[in-house]
Amino acid sequence: NAGVTQTPKFRILKIGQSMTLQCTQDMNHNYMYWYRQDPGMGLKLIYYSVGAGITDKGEVPNGYNVSRSTTEDFPLRLELAAPSQTSVYFCASRDFSYNEQFFGPGTRLTVL
Amino acid sequence: AQSVTQLDSHVSVSEGTPVLLRCNYSSSYSPSLFWYVQHPNKGLQLLLKYTSAATLVKGINGFEAEFKKSETSFHLTKPSAHMSDAAEYFCVVSAPNAGNMLTFGGGTRLMVKP
Repeated sequence: NAGVTQTPKFRILKIGQSMTLQCTQDMNHNYMYWYRQDPGMGLKLIYYSVGAGITDKGEVPNGYNVSRSTTEDFPLRLELAAPSQTSVYFCASRDFSYNEQFFGPGTRLTVL
Repeated sequence: AQSVTQLDSHVSVSEGTPVLLRCNYSSSYSPSLFWYVQHPNKGLQLLLKYTSAATLVKGINGFEAEFKKSETSFHLTKPSAHMSDAAEYFCVVSAPNAGNMLTFGGGTRLMVKP
């Protein structure tokens, strides 16, 4: 199993550009999550999904959108990038039966 | 609502000496508690977890943590620090709402001196 994979690893955006951060898991997990980690801080939840077709907001959803058309994929969309969205983004997944989340390696995004 | 407070933002120890990273939590539910470790420019790795079984939890790499409900604490310890333990450590609480979302503490940076 590859676990949770994220692409790209790094990206630099200009203000106002859009992009999609990709997240895929091959563990057949129901639950998937997107977090952001700002320098020197813990992770904050952006959006989460409890299954295909179901998504909900976390603590810091403004400026982001998500979709979950399949069990495996949970892309995160930034429509109008802003400097405040400079961060490291982590995707995670969890099986319904267990409380442990498995994290991807992260995407480092810089908005200039 | 739930929250996590890591009482020290930085901890420095000498190699071979004990490690103590302190964590207090609050939760409206019976929480699950975790410690994750993050090495520089890496993702997060689970060290250990408490899910209402034994209050003393053993994890990987010689770490352990004790859940104390009366003190709302979940401190992480290790008897003897190794250079490879230098990293950022996060105490995390999970509650059965909002998809079992995780709430992270602010992190403790552990430095290990030779």
